Amino acid sequence: DVKVTQSSRYLVKRTGEKVFLECVQDMDHENMFWYRQDPGLGLRLIYFSYDVKMKEKGDIPEGYSVSREKKERFSLILESASTNQTSMYLCASSRLLAADFNTDTQYFGPGTRLTVL
Amino acid sequence: DQQVKQNSPSLSVQEGRISILNCDYTNSMFDYFLWYKKYPAEGPTFLISISSIKDKNEDGRFTVFLNKSAKHLSLHIVPSQPGDSAVYFCAANTGTASKLTFGTGTRLQVTL
Repeated sequence: DVKVTQSSRYLVKRTGEKVFLECVQDMDHENMFWYRQDPGLGLRLIYFSYDVKMKEKGDIPEGYSVSREKKERFSLILESASTNQTSMYLCASSRLLAADFNTDTQYFGPGTRLTVL
Repeated sequence: DQQVKQNSPSLSVQEGRISILNCDYTNSMFDYFLWYKKYPAEGPTFLISISSIKDKNEDGRFTVFLNKSAKHLSLHIVPSQPGDSAVYFCAANTGTASKLTFGTGTRLQVTL
């Protein structure tokens, strides 16, 4: 059973603080993703990673960075938190299928609700 | 630019009836489509998928239909149950990458 865990369920930070959101998966998946979910906007991809030390920008990377030092762990960093980064943050992982990309299901963690005051 | 659109933010259906959730897309390169279900305070969970080489895929009470010419897919739930009350997201990818593009979601409420 795939398990994706996120370090915090709820987080409250102040404007300008550096924020770390941690995600760990236990299924040896190559791919890991960070999304944010906002009402009326659905899930938007912030960053993703295909391998250790590898990262690619998603649709809304501005104001965020990521780190993947180990295969099972993918961190999202807000260098200087702002109020417009108040959101639900979701981490996901999936296998990298060389021959058949089309069956690549993403498994999600429970989410971290971040409030920036 | 919303490439995957769910135009109905909410839907209410009586228990036992059919729920139909719709999704439209604009990117003709999309060739694999998925539906996810999300309960409050939980992450989305995979529900059902369909490849562009098919026009229908069925799994128990859930059926997904794909109309490529109209760039439209739909999820049918029959019969609807109160436990189906959740937010449903459709998603798509091009098959050349693991990256998914999600729609904005439809909140389904199944009433007794």
